[in-house]
Amino acid sequence: SQTIHQWPATLVQPVGSPLSLECTVEGTSNPNLYWYRQAAGRGLQLLFYSVGIGQISSEVPQNLSASRPQDRQFILSSKKLLLSDSGFYLCAWSPRQNIQYFGAGTRLSVL
Amino acid sequence: KQEVTQIPAALSVPEGENLVLNCSFTDSAIYNLQWFRQDPGKGLTSLLLIQSSQREQTSGRLNASLDKSSGRSTLYIAASQPGDSATYLCAVKQPPGNTPLVFGKGTRLSVIA
Repeated sequence: SQTIHQWPATLVQPVGSPLSLECTVEGTSNPNLYWYRQAAGRGLQLLFYSVGIGQISSEVPQNLSASRPQDRQFILSSKKLLLSDSGFYLCAWSPRQNIQYFGAGTRLSVL
Repeated sequence: KQEVTQIPAALSVPEGENLVLNCSFTDSAIYNLQWFRQDPGKGLTSLLLIQSSQREQTSGRLNASLDKSSGRSTLYIAASQPGDSATYLCAVKQPPGNTPLVFGKGTRLSVIA
């Protein structure tokens, strides 16, 4: 069966520090991969999605970047975190054109 | 641009009641619609997926309907239980299907024992 792993579960980082959140999927190949951010009162905001290795679509201009170095690995990064980067980050995957499955999320606090 | 709206934003009901959560979308040309549940501080769990050609899907006490022409979906929860308390999110996928979901902001449900 397919599983999605996202870590860490919580993270506290100072302003200006770098960020790397990792997401991996097991039990499938060539999935669509997604990064979302959820802020209080704003709902789920799509940040990046990828339909294949090295193919990244950015939905919102921001302080973040994403990479997909392997088929089932999706990484969210920042060189210098801002206070406004705080939030709940969710990784998700889907087979082509089908149900979307989410990871457990990472609570990021930038202080 | 597709927009998804969920009403109400929050709902509190006594245990045992049947309830309906509403979702509307502005562009009726959707590929599918998915309902999710999110517990506080957790990821999203998929509840039901309705393809554009379908009118409803059922899973246990949950029933989701889709009226594409009017841009509406409802999630019906029968005999609600305190364990149903969570935020319920609706999301639609546009054709050709290999596109990201567009989410509503969710309805926060509290079922009171």
